[in-house]
Amino acid sequence: DTEVTQTPKHLVMGMTNKKSLKCEQHMGHRAMYWYKQKAKKPPELMFVYSYEKLSINESVPSRFSPECPNSSLLNLHLHALQPEDSALYLCASSQDSGTKTQYFGPGTRLLVL
Amino acid sequence: EDQVTQSPEALRLQEGESSSLNCSYTVSGLRGLFWYRQDPGKGPEFLFTLYSAGEEKEKERLKATLTKKESFLHITAPKPEDSATYLCAVGSTGAQKLVFGQGTRLTINP
Repeated sequence: DTEVTQTPKHLVMGMTNKKSLKCEQHMGHRAMYWYKQKAKKPPELMFVYSYEKLSINESVPSRFSPECPNSSLLNLHLHALQPEDSALYLCASSQDSGTKTQYFGPGTRLLVL
Repeated sequence: EDQVTQSPEALRLQEGESSSLNCSYTVSGLRGLFWYRQDPGKGPEFLFTLYSAGEEKEKERLKATLTKKESFLHITAPKPEDSATYLCAVGSTGAQKLVFGQGTRLTINP
């Protein structure tokens, strides 16, 4: 089974709200990723967790806060977002970090008003 | 710096009309080349991983090939349900992340 699940599927939030995106995998993968994707563009890496530790932060604004509670779960906490943060947020996992095959979840469509 | 270029940007075919998508890459040392299919508003779906020049992989109407400079995704007798954006990505020696191409938007008309 190569399934990565994400909740919620859709999210609408105001610029003063606090919300969280959740991601889960049960493939025993030790690397998990957050990507942001705008329309007609490829996924853009935001964060990488390797063995539950943050290994890459692609200079993402602090209004995005990742968390890895355990090896199967990945959260992305959102606070004081801007309308330009509206996008499809993708979670992915791989056997370990680096250049192994990444498996993506279905994404969360986020709209910031 | 690792680079990936996909061509064409968009391709429109008739059902049954075979064609190929191109992914040209420049990396310091290839650790893997990945093909994904992405439907609008959904996450990329993994198709293939290729590791070395000369390698080929097939799945239904799709066949991926790899040389030292590029990869092709051959689509044989496509159907309308093959319409999607196809993404190519590479991983290189010492890299912590994949580099994605811009994708090819494929439309198959019935």
